Amino acid sequence: QVQLVQSGAEVKKPGASVKVSCKASGYTFRSYPIHWVRQAPGQGLEWMGWIRNGNDNTKYSQKFLDRVTFIRDTSATTAYMELSSLTSEDTAVYYCAREGDIQAADPYFDSWGQGTLVTVSS
Amino acid sequence: QSALTQPPSASGSPGQSVTISCTGTSSDVGGYNYVSWYQQHPGKAPKLMIYGVTKRPSGVPDRFSGSKSGNTASLTVSGLQAEDEADYYCSSYAGSNSVVFGGGTKLTVL
Repeated sequence: QVQLVQSGAEVKKPGASVKVSCKASGYTFRSYPIHWVRQAPGQGLEWMGWIRNGNDNTKYSQKFLDRVTFIRDTSATTAYMELSSLTSEDTAVYYCAREGDIQAADPYFDSWGQGTLVTVSS
Repeated sequence: QSALTQPPSASGSPGQSVTISCTGTSSDVGGYNYVSWYQQHPGKAPKLMIYGVTKRPSGVPDRFSGSKSGNTASLTVSGLQAEDEADYYCSSYAGSNSVVFGGGTKLTVL
């Protein structure tokens, strides 16, 4: 079955960068886009963007445009999200999610990673 | 783009029906039939409940249904059960390959 397994919790100081991994299995990794979504403590879901694994195209939310990078390693079936210039406002659980239907234009997420807590604290 | 608007809370007794709204604009909810709904229990990852406004993934009970009118989408949970108590989020395609989520609704089963 489709499975996305993320890396463990991170604690970072303000100004640092963090890199979260998302290991995929159970499907053809290169065929499905991976999206990144974050959730601050007690808050709602916030879409960060996606990477299309077939051609490495990326789309970043305007909010993160200058601070976030998505990459993927097809041989390792792993996607990565790197966020730089961290502040306390970036403390959140970060999720990777698979886009469910590569044939349609509907960006729904049918499988999610378990989430990675990133804490930014001095 | 701005987050879609959901009521912060909703509630119902076991067996009853409850509807959660999700209001956007003609640039997102109203412009595309690409609205999804997710259920999230505390400490867990979200789970897809509805996609394409009305479609249910396999394994999701038919007590969950979706609809849309104009710029507002809705999720209806019929025959409420205790395990339906969770946070619910809508999302929509917002053009230019972007996605926007709603603020979330906490559903309480009384």
